[in-house]
Amino acid sequence: QTVVTQEPSFSVSPGGTVTLTCGLNSGSVSTSHQPSWYQQTPGQPPRTLMYSTNTRSSGVPDRFSGSILGNKAALTITGAQADDESDYYCVLYVATGIWVFGGGTKLTVL
Amino acid sequence: QVQLVESGGGVVQPGGSLRLSCAASGFIFSTSGMHWVRQAPGKGLEWVTFTRYDESHKWYADSVKGRFTISRDNSKNTLYLQMNSLRPEDTAIYYCAKMSSGQSFDPWGQGTLVTVSS
Repeated sequence: QTVVTQEPSFSVSPGGTVTLTCGLNSGSVSTSHQPSWYQQTPGQPPRTLMYSTNTRSSGVPDRFSGSILGNKAALTITGAQADDESDYYCVLYVATGIWVFGGGTKLTVL
Repeated sequence: QVQLVESGGGVVQPGGSLRLSCAASGFIFSTSGMHWVRQAPGKGLEWVTFTRYDESHKWYADSVKGRFTISRDNSKNTLYLQMNSLRPEDTAIYYCAKMSSGQSFDPWGQGTLVTVSS
């Protein structure tokens, strides 16, 4: 069974930098997995932040960036702001017609 | 603007059935692949199913295979999810989402809540 792993929680200070990761229990994440990232606040649907590893969705500020770091996909927030406090989900395209979401990371800004 | 609006959620007993709808507007629905994604209360996102624009291929998560059926009516710009043999663990908000660039999900609807309980 394919499992996509994310840190359950992370904390960052206002103005600080944080990197959230997205791994695969069966091996390394690569650009072929087309990692994408979503931000979700309570009571709201997810909002698309990043797709194709490092392409920002329309309207997403450039303090959000995506990459492959080692064997994982990564979402980096530079200059964290209070309204970045959210749940963040990655999803990987692991096989033809199969997508798997990570368990999500709860980001606290304090 | 691009919009997806889900409907059809509600309370159903275990073993029951429900059909969800997702009305699309603001884009060419008939050429777009579409997903259903769900989120159990207080839990993370779970991909459920996907259909290509012409229903030529459909894929399902193992957790719903054989019980759920995705379909679409391109003449009505509407996506459906037929859910049979419902279980308490199917309780969730169900979102529809358009397949977008780079295998991403964008946009998302507001979701519809399905509660499976006796």
